[in-house]
Amino acid sequence: DGGITQSPKYLFRKEGQNVTLSCEQNLNHDAMYWYRQDPGQGLRLIYYSQIVNDFQKGDIAEGYSVSREKKESFPLTVTSAQKNPTAFYLCASSMGEIPGLAGDDEQFFGPGTRLTVL
Amino acid sequence: DQQVKQNSPSLSVQEGRISILNCDYTNSMFDYFLWYKKYPAEGPTFLISISSIKDKNEDGRFTVFLNKSAKHLSLHIVPSQPGDSAVYFCAASAWAGNNRKLIWGLGTSLAVNP
Repeated sequence: DGGITQSPKYLFRKEGQNVTLSCEQNLNHDAMYWYRQDPGQGLRLIYYSQIVNDFQKGDIAEGYSVSREKKESFPLTVTSAQKNPTAFYLCASSMGEIPGLAGDDEQFFGPGTRLTVL
Repeated sequence: DQQVKQNSPSLSVQEGRISILNCDYTNSMFDYFLWYKKYPAEGPTFLISISSIKDKNEDGRFTVFLNKSAKHLSLHIVPSQPGDSAVYFCAASAWAGNNRKLIWGLGTSLAVNP
């Protein structure tokens, strides 16, 4: 079964610690994304990657870092510099941009990780 | 500045009736629109989409209408079922340089009452 996995489902960390959230996909998608959702808010883009070894900052990248060493994996590190890290984090993937094929915009989401910083 | 707006944070509908969720956008360069459904503590799932060259797309109980001149789209669910209770996100995409960029609305929480 193809899909996106995020682990763990729930994560607790002490303030001041870095924490890495895992995201793996076996859909053979080129593009991957990290979003953050806070109560009553929409999805805010943290980082995205269109291809291996390349990634770009989204709208709220401060305090976060990513890597894309493999096509299947796009881990997100929440650093101690992130002022309000407690949130629901969602990873997504898509086929990536192919000129003229707007239908490839569809993003497939993982189940999410609820991070709570104590 | 919100480029994709879902002005109703919540909507309550009786089971069996029609649910209409609305979405407005400001960027005329958007050429593809998507609706996602999200249950609490889960990732959003794709529901239905529409290209800007069309004005209607239908999939079972779900129909999306696009009015380009008004920069408005709507999702109709007929008949509504209790299992449809979820948050619905509208998203729109456009070219941003060499990349496609997807912009999300803030969502509308739909409650379908038995």
